[in-house]
Amino acid sequence: DTGVSQNPRHKITKRGQNVTFRCDPISEHNRLYWYRQTLGQGPEFLTYFQNEAQLEKSRLLSDRFSAERPKGSFSTLEIQRTEQGDSAMYLCASRKTGASSSGNTIYFGEGSWLTVV
Amino acid sequence: DQQVKQNSPSLSVQEGRISILNCDYTNSMFDYFLWYKKYPAEGPTFLISISSIKDKNEDGRFTVFLNKSAKHLSLHIVPSQPGDSAVYFCAASAGGTSYGKLTFGQGTILTVHP
Repeated sequence: DTGVSQNPRHKITKRGQNVTFRCDPISEHNRLYWYRQTLGQGPEFLTYFQNEAQLEKSRLLSDRFSAERPKGSFSTLEIQRTEQGDSAMYLCASRKTGASSSGNTIYFGEGSWLTVV
Repeated sequence: DQQVKQNSPSLSVQEGRISILNCDYTNSMFDYFLWYKKYPAEGPTFLISISSIKDKNEDGRFTVFLNKSAKHLSLHIVPSQPGDSAVYFCAASAGGTSYGKLTFGQGTILTVHP
């Protein structure tokens, strides 16, 4: 499978615990995005990377949220001191920048479900 | 401020007929639009896209139409098949370095009856 890979697919955690999600983008995709989706809504943009550089993080929901992409390949999204309102699907997406129209296609992973109890 | 709106929460269509899903946007900086299909508990799957320099793009059974003056786009599926039943999301992006920061609509649940 050469698509965007996310794990774990499901995570149940107690309120106050920290959780980390991992995303492996499609090989050679230099842009990587994180989104969050809650029930009944479309995905909501959180942050993105160009290789290892985090180009925007102002849309991260609070300072409890942080993301890294240390070597420009996989990325992690960490939520500290989880709250019940953090329960959602966290989606990762990637694309390869370039002049061709195919570079405009953004591919999503299957998402990581978080339930905070 | 909902910059991308899908005003129909659901649509029901008979197999073989046309499905038309609609999307409106308010941000005039958007210049690239995408449609995604999503099954429960899965990530969105890319269907088709259109640049603002075009007014139509076709790929097999899927056609997207863009009316820039009305800030409206639509996805046509012909003929509709039961396997098309899913949630469809419209998404929009501004160009330049902002490209990829997608703004999504709320989604439309499409049900295709055999």
